[in-house]
Amino acid sequence: EPEVTQTPSHQVTQMGQEVILRCVPISNHLYFYWYRQILGQKVEFLVSFYNNEISEKSEIFDDQFSVERPDGSNFTLKIRSTKLEDSAMYFCASAGGSREADTQYFGPGTRLTVL
Amino acid sequence: AQSVTQLGSHVSVSEGALVLLRCNYSSSVPPYLFWYVQYPNQGLQLLLKYTSAATLVKGINGFEAEFKKSETSFHLTKPSAHMSDAAEYFCAVNPNTGFQKLVFGTGTRLLVSP
Repeated sequence: EPEVTQTPSHQVTQMGQEVILRCVPISNHLYFYWYRQILGQKVEFLVSFYNNEISEKSEIFDDQFSVERPDGSNFTLKIRSTKLEDSAMYFCASAGGSREADTQYFGPGTRLTVL
Repeated sequence: AQSVTQLGSHVSVSEGALVLLRCNYSSSVPPYLFWYVQYPNQGLQLLLKYTSAATLVKGINGFEAEFKKSETSFHLTKPSAHMSDAAEYFCAVNPNTGFQKLVFGTGTRLLVSP
């Protein structure tokens, strides 16, 4: 069964460094999302992406964040200059294929630790 | 704006007992509602969803949920808990299409004792 995959599973970085989190959505999906979950808190929406552009973003998604679909398979989240408060689990999700088109399927997450 | 309230950050049951996890939503339009489960150190797995068809929805692992518009609720139940059900459960809502953002509740950790 097709799954959303994410790499790396765990990323440790120094404050101020750039990180790129990678996701491979389910192959025939059209809508892509990033969410994050700070330890002990709820899952929060960051951004949605459709037709090669951002369709919605949250207040969290400021100028330090960007997303890209560089080829037909990958979907990336870049944080330009990481802060301590960016430490969280980041989830990628995709939706909009023939399989339950109205449902978002989540990847296993990338745990980002900013030191 | 849509929101979700999950009552009880922790719920403890004995193995074989009924599981009831509560979710109330707020939405200005008929919503789509979802339950996701997160096992330790894993991602979010879809348990079940309501998308304006049958109000009683059956999901994986013996879970089901009933959409009650009059109570704005979508509580998750399972008749008999199993040790493997121990996990964090998240209720989520989006307005009325599957392609908009999900708004999650704060989650309920289910603890199952022998």
